[in-house]
Amino acid sequence: RKEVEQDPGPFNVPEGATVAFNCTYSNSASQSFFWYRQDCRKEPKLLMSVYSSGNEDGRFTAQLNRASQYISLLIRDSKLSDSATYLCVASGNTPLVFGKGTRLSVIA
Amino acid sequence: DAGVIQSPRHEVTEMGQEVTLRCKPISGHNSLFWYRQTMMRGLELLIYFNNNVPIDDSGMPEDRFSAKMPNASFSTLKIQPSEPRDSAVYFCASSLLAGNIQYFGAGTRLSVL
Repeated sequence: RKEVEQDPGPFNVPEGATVAFNCTYSNSASQSFFWYRQDCRKEPKLLMSVYSSGNEDGRFTAQLNRASQYISLLIRDSKLSDSATYLCVASGNTPLVFGKGTRLSVIA
Repeated sequence: DAGVIQSPRHEVTEMGQEVTLRCKPISGHNSLFWYRQTMMRGLELLIYFNNNVPIDDSGMPEDRFSAKMPNASFSTLKIQPSEPRDSAVYFCASSLLAGNIQYFGAGTRLSVL
């Protein structure tokens, strides 16, 4: 079983839609969680950290469910510029483990 | 800060040639990571260093791959001899500590013909 699993998508949504991604992690000792964003032919960049209590940054909301070992990312009012691949990340005693990513296409 | 700097950005070479990828981490970061990314396998960790010391190289595909970090501001990933299946984007990343947020360089796009 892969350590961090994500639905690869693609998710094709119209502008203004709300879209949610989930990801599961297998290492119950994982302590830190993040979402990274990767644009086509670019490097991954940190989108936001994921805190136990959940956190929000503008249109983006991240949540952590330790009991079920999953992380979610909610994007409200999708923009064309949100089109990218979103990587779910978990860490434990080892460096960050990246999921393969979920591809999002926001369509006009 | 300039961020993580990788060179070259693109490399095209012929099978059997030696390839050397270079990385300068963010100043003050103690951990450095080398990744390979392909469509099929996603982002794979090849090796990482803490304080210039290789900690885990279990992701290195085979003996043709080697990595060094002679000082805190420079690392190399070498492939010798290169093969077409090595074609991928290679990223270098650095962080303050191994489990912390990683910052990626722009990557080296390698094509082995």
